[in-house]
Amino acid sequence: AQTVTQSQPEMSVQEAETVTLSCTYDTSESDYYLFWYKQPPSRQMILVIRQEAYKQQNATENRFSVNFQKAAKSFSLKISDSQLGDAAMYFCAYRSARGADGLTFGKGTHLIIQP
Amino acid sequence: DAGITQSPRHKVTETGTPVTLRCHQTENHRYMYWYRQDPGHGLRLIHYSYGVKDTDKGEVSDGYSVSRSKTEDFLLTLESATSSQTSVYFCSSRGADPGELFFGEGSRLTVL
Repeated sequence: AQTVTQSQPEMSVQEAETVTLSCTYDTSESDYYLFWYKQPPSRQMILVIRQEAYKQQNATENRFSVNFQKAAKSFSLKISDSQLGDAAMYFCAYRSARGADGLTFGKGTHLIIQP
Repeated sequence: DAGITQSPRHKVTETGTPVTLRCHQTENHRYMYWYRQDPGHGLRLIHYSYGVKDTDKGEVSDGYSVSRSKTEDFLLTLESATSSQTSVYFCSSRGADPGELFFGEGSRLTVL
């Protein structure tokens, strides 16, 4: 079974600074997807960024980028120029590219933005 | 996300009563999922469906059943609710793109 580990229960960063959230995963598959979701207090699940395992290039979405290390099974999220609106829970998630399986989530990292 | 609605959004019930949560999607997605979210656990998969009348168990399926009689509706039933089933429940769906998933807004269930 796949597992996803987020080793930082909570992170704090000053506004406008850069922060990196860590995620490692375990799988025996070679084709899969990785995701970062943001969950603000409204509890809505918002997709931040996704990465296809077959793509070597790291995904980026504006201020959000990932460092995908397939051999190391690592998938960290970097948030540049942190803003107050970035404060939320962040979840790393994995799903196989095959079949109907759902997502496997990490336990989440609570990101605090200090003004 | 647009196209997925959950009902009810909030429910308080008593131990031993049956509860049904409904997920409705208008995207004609083949795949649908139910998760529960608890503090310290992230989201965990309860059951999923890969077509009408086709369902399978997820990681935490004990005490839950599901049904899918129409493409657009996926029901989660707690036959006899227990306090350990107090949680926030999320529905999700996806179409042919395995990397594109949509979430409902969540349903908070409290079992007293």
